[in-house]
Amino acid sequence: AQTVTQSQPEMSVQEAETVTLSCTYDTSESDYYLFWYKQPPSRQMILVIRQEAYKQQNATENRFSVNFQKAAKSFSLKISDSQLGDAAMYFCAYRSAQTGGGADGLTFGKGTHLIIQP
Amino acid sequence: DTEVTQTPKHLVMGMTNKKSLKCEQHMGHRAMYWYKQKAKKPPELMFVYSYEKLSINESVPSRFSPECPNSSLLNLHLHALQPEDSALYLCASSREYGGPSGQPQHFGDGTRLSIL
Repeated sequence: AQTVTQSQPEMSVQEAETVTLSCTYDTSESDYYLFWYKQPPSRQMILVIRQEAYKQQNATENRFSVNFQKAAKSFSLKISDSQLGDAAMYFCAYRSAQTGGGADGLTFGKGTHLIIQP
Repeated sequence: DTEVTQTPKHLVMGMTNKKSLKCEQHMGHRAMYWYKQKAKKPPELMFVYSYEKLSINESVPSRFSPECPNSSLLNLHLHALQPEDSALYLCASSREYGGPSGQPQHFGDGTRLSIL
């Protein structure tokens, strides 16, 4: 079974600064997908960024980028120019590339609560 | 606005009641999911439907009964729930189920369920 670990229960950053959220995972599979989701107090889980394990290039989406280190099984999220609207719980998630046996479900880390200081 | 719509947003029910949660998407997605999320915890997968057929049941108690009447609609029927079932219930959908597509799941706002 795969596990996802987020070692930072809470992070705080000044508005306009850069913050990095950590995520490590454990798997015996070679092909999989990694995601960062954001869940503000409004409850909806919002996809922030997606990474395919077979791609060496790190994914980027505007102010959000990842540092994907496959050998180290590390998948950190960098948020540049932090904005007040970035305040939320951030979940790192893993999904197998296999089919069946629960593989299609997402395995989530415990989350990191991000606070933006004005 | 979310593309996955869940109703109701809040539900309070007694342990003997029967109620249903509803989830709807019109993105043409063929895989739909139910997750349960307790406070300050990550979501946990309950059920997966692929092409209107139940594909995954993660050992969920029978007091939760899912139903997928068509490709756009997913229900979760509730009966004789326990206080520990109080949680946020999230519905999600993705373009297809499983395999190497890696399609992301799109989530609804959830239904906040409280069992008295």
